[in-house]
Amino acid sequence: EDKVVQSPLSLVVHEGDTVTLNCSYEVTNFRSLLWYKQEKKAPTFLFMLTSSGIEKKSGRLSSILDKKELFSILNITATQTGDSAVYLCAVEAGDYQLIWGAGTKLIIKP
Amino acid sequence: ETGVTQSPTHLIKTRGQQVTLRCSSQSGHNTVSWYQQALGQGPQFIFQYYREEENGRGNFPPRFSGLQFPNYSSELNVNALELDDSALYLCASSLVSGGEQFFGPGTRLTVL
Repeated sequence: EDKVVQSPLSLVVHEGDTVTLNCSYEVTNFRSLLWYKQEKKAPTFLFMLTSSGIEKKSGRLSSILDKKELFSILNITATQTGDSAVYLCAVEAGDYQLIWGAGTKLIIKP
Repeated sequence: ETGVTQSPTHLIKTRGQQVTLRCSSQSGHNTVSWYQQALGQGPQFIFQYYREEENGRGNFPPRFSGLQFPNYSSELNVNALELDDSALYLCASSLVSGGEQFFGPGTRLTVL
């Protein structure tokens, strides 16, 4: 059965800290891995990763995929209170379904 | 460019009732996916519609059904509601099947 597992489930850090969120997967016919940020309702897109070893960056956020070891990490440097959210990892399977992890709830304390 | 919209925002129903949730796709998008997100969980894929045809379905019973209209807006219908159907229902549209998905704000359904 296809599955996506995120860790940790929750994380509390102070402003300015760096965090690393993990996503491992077992999915038949992998197409891509996506990261989303969910603050209240609608998840907002962060990154789509399809190739191993190529880091994607957007400001203080970056992500990388390892297709051999079947995992991805999302890094956030110099965290701010506005980074507090649930971070969701999803893997797109061969039939275009998105299989989601349970999310990591990140709380940034001032 | 108009984003993805969903209606209603909140809904309260009782067990056994039926509900229809609506979604308007982002302009130009022909693919709509529906997800159920229980509290504290990641979204679960319900089904996807591409050009008015169901294009994939997750592990949900037949009482979850959908429609996509010629303007690519979509409905999710749930019959014989159960307490466990209480969740946030998210709709996402994409330019093509497999493309980046843009999410609507969701409909919070509570079944009493």
